Amino acid sequence: DAGITQSPRHKVTETGTPVTLRCHQTENHRYMYWYRQDPGHGLRLIHYSYGVKDTDKGEVSDGYSVSRSKTEDFLLTLESATSSQTSVYFCAISDPGRAGETQYFGPGTRLLVL
Amino acid sequence: GQNIDQPTEMTATEGAIVQINCTYQTSGFNGLFWYQQHAGEAPTFLSYNVLDGLEEKGRFSSFLSRSKGYSYLLLKELQMKDSASYLCAAFYNTDKLIFGTGTRLQVFP
Repeated sequence: DAGITQSPRHKVTETGTPVTLRCHQTENHRYMYWYRQDPGHGLRLIHYSYGVKDTDKGEVSDGYSVSRSKTEDFLLTLESATSSQTSVYFCAISDPGRAGETQYFGPGTRLLVL
Repeated sequence: GQNIDQPTEMTATEGAIVQINCTYQTSGFNGLFWYQQHAGEAPTFLSYNVLDGLEEKGRFSSFLSRSKGYSYLLLKELQMKDSASYLCAAFYNTDKLIFGTGTRLQVFP
């Protein structure tokens, strides 16, 4: 157990509404990641963070923003949700201080955009 | 691109051995991860190979050939609980982990 929680675990929202997903970790890991998982695509990186206020884009960052004001929290925001953002979102952390080490995943958030 | 290729589905019988193959692009490659993911759950870490060769961890083993861009996950003495998706992921010097689409393994009695 890498001490990662995600909230909410399930959410249904309407197109055009803003949505924020939260990832919380308790073990002071430096790197945090947001992925989405869709059938036929596997896990794809949206954004990641390598420290407080240090973030960078991943493979599928359009339509998403992130913030990390504290070590323990990494927020993913959909400014105006679209149906194409219906997915399962996973947060991950990597071992303290070093990118490239094993990533451990949170339980996931299932998001349905109607 | 950095495509990761693995079979979509495999089936096997309880007690048998199954090998799940994965190929990846070698340019900028650092290491190879295998994850297990049960339906509706998060991926869980199985193995990480950096050097060529076989690494054994109980019933599961993982092999890497860096020059061939090839890895496999070997599952022995299959159990029903091994029915899951197995994700191959390659780590590159871009600090990014690239995942394959996963291999869904069904174990039958």
